[in-house]
Amino acid sequence: AQRVTQPEKLLSVFKGAPVELKCNYSYSGSPELFWYVQYSRQRLQLLLRHISRESIKGFTADLNKGETSFHLKKPFAQEEDSAMYYCALQGAQKLVFGQGTRLTINP
Amino acid sequence: GAGVSQSPSNKVTEKGKDVELRCDPISGHTALYWYRQRLGQGLEFLIYFQGNSAPDKSGLPSDRFSAERTGESVSTLTIQRTQQEDSAVYLCASSKDRPLAGGPGAKNIQYFGAGTRLSVL
Repeated sequence: AQRVTQPEKLLSVFKGAPVELKCNYSYSGSPELFWYVQYSRQRLQLLLRHISRESIKGFTADLNKGETSFHLKKPFAQEEDSAMYYCALQGAQKLVFGQGTRLTINP
Repeated sequence: GAGVSQSPSNKVTEKGKDVELRCDPISGHTALYWYRQRLGQGLEFLIYFQGNSAPDKSGLPSDRFSAERTGESVSTLTIQRTQQEDSAVYLCASSKDRPLAGGPGAKNIQYFGAGTRLSVL
């Protein structure tokens, strides 16, 4: 069965501090993983995908197959990073989403 | 079009009434998806269309829910005899190609609409 777990519903850090949003998955095949973000009053949008191995807005995420994790990291948080973040796993027919983590960056 | 368009943006209805939600995908996108997001919860998959056929309807919660798609364009999600537990934001997404069409070109990236907020009184 496909499953995505984001253990933290809420995460609050100070501006300039490092951020790590956790994501663990369960999938029998070779996973394709994404992070989606939803800023206040905006629609859900793709932040990054593990295949492209790129850094977007200072965020990176590394797929760790041994730990079945795809944690999202940023070394220095900015206030504009405050948003809802969803980890997602691509299955044969659909994206399976985690419950989401609401990230708040305090000034 | 510029993006995925959903209408109405808000819908308030009385319990027992039928509602119809509409999604206009990005032009040229063959795949279309419906999700439901209840307050404080994650996105729940409802149904996936490839063209006008639905290979996966596994997420539809009950037979009160149905969806159709005309060719590779508009889709409608219909909820009959609405119940209070149907209250949620209904999101539509489209992608250029089928879900496993990954690799370079990112044909399976899903682009989301702004959603329809449904409130059943």
